[in-house]
Amino acid sequence: GAGVSQSPSNKVTEKGKDVELRCDPISGHTALYWYRQSLGQGLEFLIYFQGNSAPDKSGLPSDRFSAERTGGSVSTLTIQRTQQEDSAVYLCASRLPVGGAQYFGPGTRLTVT
Amino acid sequence: AQKITQTQPGMFVQEKEAVTLDCTYDTSDQSYGLFWYKQPSSGEMIFLIYQGSYDEQNATEGRYSLNFQKARKSANLVISASQLGDSAMYFCAMRPSGSARQLTFGSGTQLTVLP
Repeated sequence: GAGVSQSPSNKVTEKGKDVELRCDPISGHTALYWYRQSLGQGLEFLIYFQGNSAPDKSGLPSDRFSAERTGGSVSTLTIQRTQQEDSAVYLCASRLPVGGAQYFGPGTRLTVT
Repeated sequence: AQKITQTQPGMFVQEKEAVTLDCTYDTSDQSYGLFWYKQPSSGEMIFLIYQGSYDEQNATEGRYSLNFQKARKSANLVISASQLGDSAMYFCAMRPSGSARQLTFGSGTQLTVLP
């Protein structure tokens, strides 16, 4: 079946502009996660959604970052008033309701100029 | 809180030889899961292998095996018969069992397989 998909694959934006990153999880996966990976670094957790529960936003670095998940499927990560330090690869992952590994999408490479 | 430590920023191995990538962890959870992911230069994170903290046997998946030593809090990845396509970044990660919480990742090890 289809894996996790993300769009766009690359995004270049000017400092101060807003961006939206999209994630389409694997069908049937109720848990969805956003991570950020800066150049040469490990993954930094941002936010996760589990079914209809309130999302865990504890990893969001500032109030410029927000995310929503519509209909328990597609998720959008929004970064307002982008800064150069927001440049990174943003990875989305999904997982079955019970147990198992997280499966990652190909990521969106964000460059803020 | 959970912490993953990968002390080898880079490793080299000759093609067809075995290699061990180190991972140690720290957690206050009684039950947890340990994962290894591969990230080739294309950037996608590929799930390799999983070990539960109460699993009695070490996990194996093809050429990958996990050398789990609970008392030492280590979960090393062993790749047998290395192939050129194994050249990638490898991340160790963990999560409390039975939860949907996020993974905590180590800083990764860059493995290069030499012909």
